[in-house]
Amino acid sequence: QKEVEQDPGPLSVPEGAIVSLNCTYSNSAFQYFMWYRQYSRKGPELLMYTYSSGNKEDGRFTAQVDKSSKYISLFIRDSQPSDSATYLCAMSANEDTDKLIFGTGTRLQVFP
Amino acid sequence: ETGVTQTPRHLVMGMTNKKSLKCEQHLGHNAMYWYKQSAKKPLELMFVYNFKEQTENNSVPSRFSPECPNSSHLFLHLHTLQPEDSALYLCASRHSTSTDTQYFGPGTRLTVL
Repeated sequence: QKEVEQDPGPLSVPEGAIVSLNCTYSNSAFQYFMWYRQYSRKGPELLMYTYSSGNKEDGRFTAQVDKSSKYISLFIRDSQPSDSATYLCAMSANEDTDKLIFGTGTRLQVFP
Repeated sequence: ETGVTQTPRHLVMGMTNKKSLKCEQHLGHNAMYWYKQSAKKPLELMFVYNFKEQTENNSVPSRFSPECPNSSHLFLHLHTLQPEDSALYLCASRHSTSTDTQYFGPGTRLTVL
């Protein structure tokens, strides 16, 4: 079983839709959770960074962590064509952010 | 664009060639990382350097040889690679004395013929 599972997609939605991206994980030691956005031919760009459980909001983006279910989500409101990218979840155990464990990434396409 | 730069952005090499990838970070970080990103696979951590010392070698074949002359620069020397080594090689950095996460460069797209 992979430590982090992420549906590769592609997920195709119309502009303005609410997008939900998810990852599940198996290691209960994970405390730090990240979402990276990666455009084609670019490196991953940090989008959201959360510690432990709860929600974090930044503009149109909301990151949610449910440690009891070992499940994290990224919601994108009012999605735009510029949001079309691959979204990678990543996580690490307490104070050991040298070792990020990544999901395979979900490719999102937002069409006008 | 990020404060982590990588050169070259694209590289095509034969299996008998020797080449080097370069990474430079302008963020004042002291930890640097090499990752391999292949299609449909998670990012694979290859090497970690903290304060110029290698602290992690994730069972990487010896045909990949890292070098970290200072906290701002990281190299990956390549020799006698295999076609399956073709991938996007990403460099990242962070401040190891905090819980801050890693920031990535744009990557080098490597093709081994």
